[in-house]
Amino acid sequence: AQKVTQAQTEISVVEKEDVTLDCVYETRDTTYYLFWYKQPPSGELVFLIRRNSFDEQNEISGRYSWNFQKSTSSFNFTITASQVVDSAVYFCALSGRTSGGYQKVTFGTGTKLQVIP
Amino acid sequence: SQTIHQWPATLVQPVGSPLSLECTVEGTSNPNLYWYRQAAGRGLQLLFYSVGIGQISSEVPQNLSASRPQDRQFILSSKKLLLSDSGFYLCAWTRAAGPEAFFGQGTRLTVV
Repeated sequence: AQKVTQAQTEISVVEKEDVTLDCVYETRDTTYYLFWYKQPPSGELVFLIRRNSFDEQNEISGRYSWNFQKSTSSFNFTITASQVVDSAVYFCALSGRTSGGYQKVTFGTGTKLQVIP
Repeated sequence: SQTIHQWPATLVQPVGSPLSLECTVEGTSNPNLYWYRQAAGRGLQLLFYSVGIGQISSEVPQNLSASRPQDRQFILSSKKLLLSDSGFYLCAWTRAAGPEAFFGQGTRLTVV
């Protein structure tokens, strides 16, 4: 069974502070994918990043960076110099192929980030 | 490019009334299609998935049903809505080979 845990329910930071969103996952698959999605107040889910289980390289995209560590089953997301526009709910997700042939994406419960000006 | 359309964006329905939410995908063939529900303050729960026309699998028992009458059309239905059906419903698609899911804009359903 797949499971994604985002222990941080809500985080508040002051603008320009750095913030890290934690994600811990469980899976028995050897091949799987990890994702982060952003859900702004409008509700739409915006895809941010995908990482496959064979690629543990950290990634940086502008103010965003991701730290994937298989040894601890974690895929953490850091926002540097946070901005008010970063305020949203962020979901970590895990995807693996089931025996039925479909791609099952399991989401964490999300972390609500509030950036205070 | 691929796009996914979901409507309506918001819906207020009385208890006991029927429901029909529609989702269509453009720009791809034979996608895997999914319906998720997000209850207030909670994560996303997979309700249904479909790997082809007429092929529907349910992840959780509930008051809802799904249908896929065409390759790129996915419909979520209910004959009689319950208060507990309120929530934010998201349609998603993946390529048959996966893995990332792309989401529609969602439907906020309030059952009163």
